[in-house]
Amino acid sequence: KAGVTQTPRYLIKTRGQQVTLSCSPISGHRSVSWYQQTPGQGLQFLFEYFSETQRNKGNFPGRFSGRQFSNSRSEMNVSTLELGDSALYLCASSLTSGYAGYTFGSGTRLTVV
Amino acid sequence: GQNIDQPTEMTATEGAIVQINCTYQTSGFNGLFWYQQHAGEAPTFLSYNVLDGLEEKGRFSSFLSRSKGYSYLLLKELQMKDSASYLCAVSCDYKLSFGAGTTVTVRA
Repeated sequence: KAGVTQTPRYLIKTRGQQVTLSCSPISGHRSVSWYQQTPGQGLQFLFEYFSETQRNKGNFPGRFSGRQFSNSRSEMNVSTLELGDSALYLCASSLTSGYAGYTFGSGTRLTVV
Repeated sequence: GQNIDQPTEMTATEGAIVQINCTYQTSGFNGLFWYQQHAGEAPTFLSYNVLDGLEEKGRFSSFLSRSKGYSYLLLKELQMKDSASYLCAVSCDYKLSFGAGTTVTVRA
């Protein structure tokens, strides 16, 4: 059974640009959540989607947005990139609302220069 | 708000036992997870506690006391491959709130 797939694995962008990251959850999983991981702040919650609906959102500026498609695949977008957005972005999928556990993808390493 | 505390670093010898404590004060609680993360890799699931008590899974055990806002992860018979960061996370409102992680170094 395939795991959580995130693309791309690595990305280098320039300040002011925008970026879109993709996450394909485990087959059958309908909940997808996104996290940002940095050395200083650790793992921080961005947002969670279930059946194309955002159910919760973390304390990030409006430049961070996401969506989920009918096949449960999810994308997150960051507009007007800042140097501080450099981080590992992790996607996690769950069968329903997380009680069955979250499985993380390998992440997308974003570097903003 | 969410406040989840765990020690920053721990060092132990191969074959020994290490206990990683986690205390939490959160606005809600649906369960507590422990994850292992090796450098440059994704977090991998170790354990989940929703009721008070001890959950044992091979060399790893996790304990929860909801009234005390306290959990620990016990790693027995330490192996070199157990050197990693261990993350305590509380589940609530469809999200995980993580502690900063405990870096465990296993020495020969």
